[in-house]
Amino acid sequence: EAQVTQNPRYLITVTGKKLTVTCSQNMNHEYMSWYRQDPGLGLRQIYYSMNVEVTDKGDVPEGYKVSRKEKRNFPLILESPSPNQTSLYFCASSWTGNYGYTFGSGTRLTVV
Amino acid sequence: RKEVEQDPGPFNVPEGATVAFNCTYSNSASQSFFWYRQDCRKEPKLLMSVYSSGNEDGRFTAQLNRASQYISLLIRDSKLSDSATYLCVGLAGGFKTIFGAGTRLFVKA
Repeated sequence: EAQVTQNPRYLITVTGKKLTVTCSQNMNHEYMSWYRQDPGLGLRQIYYSMNVEVTDKGDVPEGYKVSRKEKRNFPLILESPSPNQTSLYFCASSWTGNYGYTFGSGTRLTVV
Repeated sequence: RKEVEQDPGPFNVPEGATVAFNCTYSNSASQSFFWYRQDCRKEPKLLMSVYSSGNEDGRFTAQLNRASQYISLLIRDSKLSDSATYLCVGLAGGFKTIFGAGTRLFVKA
């Protein structure tokens, strides 16, 4: 089944404790992207990647890192999480940037 | 001004009604637009792509008006299962995607 898989689905952590949210797609898509969704603000793009080793900032990249060492994986790294990073995170992938994205099921992160 | 703006609603309509949503965008260089559907606490799912010539898929029709910088989504013969939040998305330069905050639709029996 074609899909985007994120892990974990739910995570509660403490301020400052580094964490990684994994994202993997099995559709051989070139484009991958991370979003956060907050009430009233909609989805905002954090980072995106056009191909292996090619990444760029979205609208809200501060406090996040990404890497794209393999085509299928695009992990999101929070080096020092803070409470304002409490949010619902989605990973997504696409054949190219001009086509719609397929989204993962989301990761609900709470930073206390 | 937000780059992509939508009326948050909610739109409350009876089954069988026709409902239309509009979405305005501010970046005239935006090339591609999409409508997504999102059910509560779930991931967005692509509903339709929108191109200059418009797009129709069954009960759903999407139109793009570049002169006025808005796109629209028309749903005919609404079903209970159409109840969801509808997200308008624009693709800006460099493949950045800009989402609207969404329009909530409730279809009632």
